[in-house]
Amino acid sequence: GENVEQHPSTLSVQEGDSAVIKCTYSDSASNYFPWYKQELGKRPQLIIDIRSNVGEKKDQRIAVTLNKTAKHFSLHITETQPEDSAVYFCATYTGTASKLTFGTGTRLQVTL
Amino acid sequence: GAGVSQSPSNKVTEKGKDVELRCDPISGHTALYWYRQSLGQGLEFLIYFQGNSAPDKSGLPSDRFSAERTGGSVSTLTIQRTQQEDSAVYLCASSLRAGGPTFGPGTRLTVL
Repeated sequence: GENVEQHPSTLSVQEGDSAVIKCTYSDSASNYFPWYKQELGKRPQLIIDIRSNVGEKKDQRIAVTLNKTAKHFSLHITETQPEDSAVYFCATYTGTASKLTFGTGTRLQVTL
Repeated sequence: GAGVSQSPSNKVTEKGKDVELRCDPISGHTALYWYRQSLGQGLEFLIYFQGNSAPDKSGLPSDRFSAERTGGSVSTLTIQRTQQEDSAVYLCASSLRAGGPTFGPGTRLTVL
């Protein structure tokens, strides 16, 4: 089955700096890659996603890049703010298996 | 409804009792997922439904766990003879066939 590895497990950055979270996956049939943000005590929220026919997608301060050959994708947050502090999960979706597999999460702390 | 709803929001039970958790997905969403999240941990996949059928039950931890979905809508997750290690937040999510699922608020289960 699909295996998704996520790094780092924790990340601390100063306000205004950039943050990058990386995920690798094993199943070459994976074709959809969402990212979720989970604030303390709340449910995961979809923040951005990318499909396998696209290499990069940007939404304001958030961007996701995908390298299908290397089977990895990354979340980039620029100009970080304290409200970006949360746990971020990557995920992969394999259409044939119809299963969403999550990474282990990255705890991002943005300090003043 | 506007979002995924789950009930109850909190459930405290005694070891050995059975519990039933309910999920109402977003209307029209054909895919439904159950995940489990222990405190400070990641998202553990339990089961996935496409319509009323469950093509992937691989995540159910033991035969004490079962789930069903009726009418392509409401789903119930049943845990029989609960154990303390079953304590966690149980999250339900729904999506259109190939999209990032929307999560419900979760049911916090505490087994005493």
